[in-house]
Amino acid sequence: QVQLQQSGAELMKPGASVKISCKATGYTFSSYWIEWVKQRPGHGLEWIGEILPGSGSTNYNEKFKGKATFTADTSSNTAYMQLSSLTSEDSAVYYCASEVRHYFDYWGQGTTLTVSS
Amino acid sequence: DIQMTQSPSSLSASLGERVSLTCRASQDIGSSLNWLQQEPDGTIKRLIYATSSLDSGVPKRFSGSRSGSDYSLTISSLESEDFVDYYCLQYASSPPTFGGGTKLEIK
Repeated sequence: QVQLQQSGAELMKPGASVKISCKATGYTFSSYWIEWVKQRPGHGLEWIGEILPGSGSTNYNEKFKGKATFTADTSSNTAYMQLSSLTSEDSAVYYCASEVRHYFDYWGQGTTLTVSS
Repeated sequence: DIQMTQSPSSLSASLGERVSLTCRASQDIGSSLNWLQQEPDGTIKRLIYATSSLDSGVPKRFSGSRSGSDYSLTISSLESEDFVDYYCLQYASSPPTFGGGTKLEIK
């Protein structure tokens, strides 16, 4: 069955960068888009963007251009999202989701990022 | 961006009660709407895709429908595990956007 396993919680200092991972199992990783979503209390859920692992094609929400960078390693079936120049506004839970059979069908468990000095 | 206005933001209901949650789209999204369920530990699960198609393994008490620009998730008879958060998601137009959520609470 399809599973998305995300990396653990991160505590980072302002100005740093962080890389969150999403390891996929149960399907052909290279063939389906991986979506990234941000959730903050009071701000709801926001789509950050997506990557197609086989080609490396990416699409970003304008709001997150320059903040998020997506990569994927097809040898390990893992997608990555790097967030740069972290501020307190980046403190959130980040989710990856797949589109194997249909849009946003399977979700990772979420990765909590805390940005604090 | 398409705005998804979800209502109510919270709903208090009893076990066995029938409830409906609604999302209104600011632009035409056709049938391009999912309903998501989020547990208190953060786990997100899709319940409904393409407005009214039930995901595999989702209890049949959940259903989705559309009336014009209003999209509804109906739970026919509430069970204890249903008292969590729900979100709609439109994917008709990029960027995909989410409703603000409904917190379903037990009365």
